Amino acid sequence: AQSVTQLGSHVSVSEGALVLLRCNYSSSVPPYLFWYVQYPNQGLQLLLKYTSAATLVKGINGFEAEFKKSETSFHLTKPSAHMSDAAEYFCAVRRTGANNLFFGTGTRLTVIP
Amino acid sequence: DADVTQTPRNRITKTGKRIMLECSQTKGHDRMYWYRQDPGLGLRLIYYSFDVKDINKGEISDGYSVSRQAQAKFSLSLESAIPNQTALYFCATSDTGFKQETQYFGPGTRLLVL
Repeated sequence: AQSVTQLGSHVSVSEGALVLLRCNYSSSVPPYLFWYVQYPNQGLQLLLKYTSAATLVKGINGFEAEFKKSETSFHLTKPSAHMSDAAEYFCAVRRTGANNLFFGTGTRLTVIP
Repeated sequence: DADVTQTPRNRITKTGKRIMLECSQTKGHDRMYWYRQDPGLGLRLIYYSFDVKDINKGEISDGYSVSRQAQAKFSLSLESAIPNQTALYFCATSDTGFKQETQYFGPGTRLLVL
């Protein structure tokens, strides 16, 4: 079954530093991959998604992710962290043959002033 | 106004009580979902519905039931609540069957079962 693994349940970066949140998927075929963000006391919202049109996907708020089939990865990056990026980030995959998303365990991002 | 609303936002109940969480949406989407979120476990799917007549179990449906009263309303019930059902519950919607569809989440209901 398809699944995603998020390395690091907590990541801290300084304001202005690079943000890198890791996501690896397990699948024999390239799946549909998503990054969602959850701000404090809010529901999840879509950050970006991979749909096979391009391996480098740009999302909202300056985030982007690169699909690397050879590494089965879909890491999320942002060149310069902002205080408002503090949130929990979830990688998700569409299961083959299923109609729902399967979420990773989440990575909480803290931005240090 | 929010597109996906959940009531109540917070609820404290006792073991053995029946409780219903409600979800409404104004997005006109056919597909609706219920998830629970637990620290360190991410989100897990409880039930989903593709239209009023279609209800499907998710990964963790035991102890839960749902009702799709209308296209816009999808309720989750705990028939006899137990403490390990303490969690944050999210309703979500989506509008198509395409693999890359986006899901839209409500603000969540925080449930504490004593």
